[in-house]
Amino acid sequence: AQSVTQLDSQVPVFEEAPVELRCNYSSSVSVYLFWYVQYPNQGLQLLLKYLSGSTLVESINGFEAEFNKSQTSFHLRKPSVHISDTAEYFCAVSAVGSGSRLTFGEGTQLTVNP
Amino acid sequence: DAMVIQNPRYQVTQFGKPVTLSCSQTLNHNVMYWYQQKSSQAPKLLFHYYDKDFNNEADTPDNFQSRRPNTSFCFLDIRSPGLGDAAMYLCATSRDRGAYEQYFGPGTRLTVT
Repeated sequence: AQSVTQLDSQVPVFEEAPVELRCNYSSSVSVYLFWYVQYPNQGLQLLLKYLSGSTLVESINGFEAEFNKSQTSFHLRKPSVHISDTAEYFCAVSAVGSGSRLTFGEGTQLTVNP
Repeated sequence: DAMVIQNPRYQVTQFGKPVTLSCSQTLNHNVMYWYQQKSSQAPKLLFHYYDKDFNNEADTPDNFQSRRPNTSFCFLDIRSPGLGDAAMYLCATSRDRGAYEQYFGPGTRLTVT
């Protein structure tokens, strides 16, 4: 079985400041890793994913995440946040060969203040 | 636009009164999922269909059932809702099993009175 730990339930930052949302996972098998974002009263949207290859993955809106196998981490970063980045962020894993079943972390509420 | 649609967005039902939530997709994806998300918690997978093959999670209560009459539609039936079943129910699809992105609908928020 897999598990995901998001170390911070709430992260408040000021606009244009850098941010890091931390995610650690546990699994006895190889995994795929995902970050999803959820705006209020909406479904989840995929932000970025790591399947294989380069350990640094980027999204189109400036977020990036780095897969660190030795530390079993997949932290999400953005060098300069905007008010519109305020949302709930979920880290998720899927075991290779599990049929794309996702296990989510508890989520991190990112609040960007002016 | 191709998408995952959930109806209704908000549903109120009475304790013990059966309720059905609906999900449809225009993506022609093979896999459809139902998640339960309680306030300030992670989405929890209830079950999924791979084509017509139903896969129930081990800890999903018997009170929850699902139907997939065709590729496009999937229903979540709650036979006797309890107060603890109040939650956001999310439907998702993926093209196939494996390393494929899941596309989520906007969710149905269920209130049990």
